[in-house]
Amino acid sequence: SQQGEEDPQALSIQEGENATMNCSYKTSINNLQWYRQNSGRGLVHLILIRSNEREKHSGRLRVTLDTSKKSSSLLITASRAADTASYFCATNSGGYQKVTFGTGTKLQVIP
Amino acid sequence: GAGVSQSPRYKVTKRGQDVALRCDPISGHVSLYWYRQALGQGPEFLTYFNYEAQQDKSGLPNDRFSAERPEGSISTLTIQRTEQRDSAMYRCASRPILSTDSPLHFGNGTRLTVT
Repeated sequence: SQQGEEDPQALSIQEGENATMNCSYKTSINNLQWYRQNSGRGLVHLILIRSNEREKHSGRLRVTLDTSKKSSSLLITASRAADTASYFCATNSGGYQKVTFGTGTKLQVIP
Repeated sequence: GAGVSQSPRYKVTKRGQDVALRCDPISGHVSLYWYRQALGQGPEFLTYFNYEAQQDKSGLPNDRFSAERPEGSISTLTIQRTEQRDSAMYRCASRPILSTDSPLHFGNGTRLTVT
């Protein structure tokens, strides 16, 4: 079963634009992570935000977390063609180590 | 090795046969996870280990699926009496420490096709 749902399912933007994708989850969490997957390859960890944090930055990535709404957003600024990939949120719940993934957003950045 | 290694990369088998998928985690990583991923979907949790102990197997679809990690390093996911619905990408990931704040490191997966 999937813990999270990403929105939108697919997103197409021009290079240089910003891309925003959202994740909603169902149960309380202790952290939320975002991963990128290129062309069916393995997933790569991007950034982690803890449940007591509201915003976090890493390079061109900005993640927000709203635990009252059980939602998170990932913003990629000044997108590049190389950002074309699928993006997944993943959650750890209640100190438990099981990691469950959302359904993903497929991002296409057009050069 | 440098990353998580899975073998074989591709496996085609006939319905009813047993298959064994292997995962070699990053050296020293204590936790190992198995996922199944359908095309266009997110990874679906199957099971995970801390060292050699299987901590959670709630995601295994039925009793044809089993996994082991006998020495706390390499793991094998076994599917008995395969069915066409078992066709998917099977992914393994390892985690360096027991903290839930540490990221998962994924292998490139094994593509299983059951004919």
